[in-house]
Amino acid sequence: QQKVQQSPESLSVPEGGMASFNCTSSDRNFQYFWWYRQHSGEGPKALMSIFSDGDKKEGRFTAHLNKASLHVSLHIRDSQPSDSALYFCAASDQGGRALIFGTGTTVSVSP
Amino acid sequence: ETAVFQTPNYHVTQVGNEVSFNCKQTLGHDTMYWYKQDSKKLLKIMFSYNNKQLIVNETVPRRFSPQSSDKAHLNLRIKSVEPEDSAVYLCASSPRDNSYEQYFGPGTRLTVL
Repeated sequence: QQKVQQSPESLSVPEGGMASFNCTSSDRNFQYFWWYRQHSGEGPKALMSIFSDGDKKEGRFTAHLNKASLHVSLHIRDSQPSDSALYFCAASDQGGRALIFGTGTTVSVSP
Repeated sequence: ETAVFQTPNYHVTQVGNEVSFNCKQTLGHDTMYWYKQDSKKLLKIMFSYNNKQLIVNETVPRRFSPQSSDKAHLNLRIKSVEPEDSAVYLCASSPRDNSYEQYFGPGTRLTVL
């Protein structure tokens, strides 16, 4: 069982629409959360980090963290075809051990 | 802009052969990592190195071994590859520990026939 689960596995969004997906961890030691994006044929690239409860906004991307429920979400406003990619949630504990990646959500944005 | 370089891009080999993949980062980071991404796109940490010290070693088969000459290089050697080793191997680096952003290379795709 993966320690970091993501849902849905995949979703389709029309261009200009809102894409939302979730991440839940099973380890209460996790303190640091990241969202990474991986385009086909490339390595993952960090989108944003979130370490405190609440919302964090960076451009069209908003992350939300609820440490009590170990739930993180990412919302992409005004989705663009270039946002089509595989999105990973990643978590690590305060000791800075290995970054644990989630199961991934594939986002397809259609023009 | 690529700052983590991996070679080769692709490698096809037979079961039982030895392979070696190279990784170099030009970011001046202290920590480097190797990940395995399987056919289902799951990303699993294999190794991490900090100042030439192995600080994380997940339960990977003994045929895998990381090799570092300095903090900018972390290579991966696989002795006697198995079919289940077919995957994309991704190298990454970060300034310090996992509270900092990790920068990934483009990956090396290994196919074991």
